[in-house]
Amino acid sequence: AQTVTQSQPEMSVQEAETVTLSCTYDTSESDYYLFWYKQPPSRQMILVIRQEAYKQQNATENRFSVNFQKAAKSFSLKISDSQLGDAAMYFCAYRSGGDDKIIFGKGTRLHILP
Amino acid sequence: DVKVTQSSRYLVKRTGEKVFLECVQDMDHENMFWYRQDPGLGLRLIYFSYDVKMKEKGDIPEGYSVSREKKERFSLILESASTNQTSMYLCASSLGGQGNTEAFFGQGTRLTVV
Repeated sequence: AQTVTQSQPEMSVQEAETVTLSCTYDTSESDYYLFWYKQPPSRQMILVIRQEAYKQQNATENRFSVNFQKAAKSFSLKISDSQLGDAAMYFCAYRSGGDDKIIFGKGTRLHILP
Repeated sequence: DVKVTQSSRYLVKRTGEKVFLECVQDMDHENMFWYRQDPGLGLRLIYFSYDVKMKEKGDIPEGYSVSREKKERFSLILESASTNQTSMYLCASSLGGQGNTEAFFGQGTRLTVV
């Protein structure tokens, strides 16, 4: 069975600085997709960024980028120029290419220090 | 604007009651999910449905059942509520068979069993 591990329960970063959230996963499959979701204090979960495993190029969405290391099964999220609105729980998620189930990590709570 | 709507934001029920949590999506998605979110444990999949009347058990199905009679509606049922089912429940939906598409989440139902 696939697993997703987020080893940092909480992190803090100064406003305008850069922070990296870690995620590792375990799978025997070659076809899969990885996601980072954000859950602000209001609780509605939204997608931050996605990565297809067959793509070597790391995904980027404005200030958010990933470092996808397929061999190491690592999928970290980098937030540049951190803003107060980035404060949230961040969840790493895995979806198999052959199965529509989505597996989540335990989350990292990110605090932004003004 | 795409939407996943959960019928209640907050719910208080008594031990032993039968509890229904309702979720409706307006995106014609094949897949619907029920997750339970607890501090330090992240999101755990309770049940997943990939079509009307079709369901699969997730990681923690004990004490829960589900119903999907219409494509847009997915209900989570607690047959006999217990205090250890006090939690945040999140419903989500996604397109079927397209692994890179995101899941869309409802606002969550905070259930307290007393």
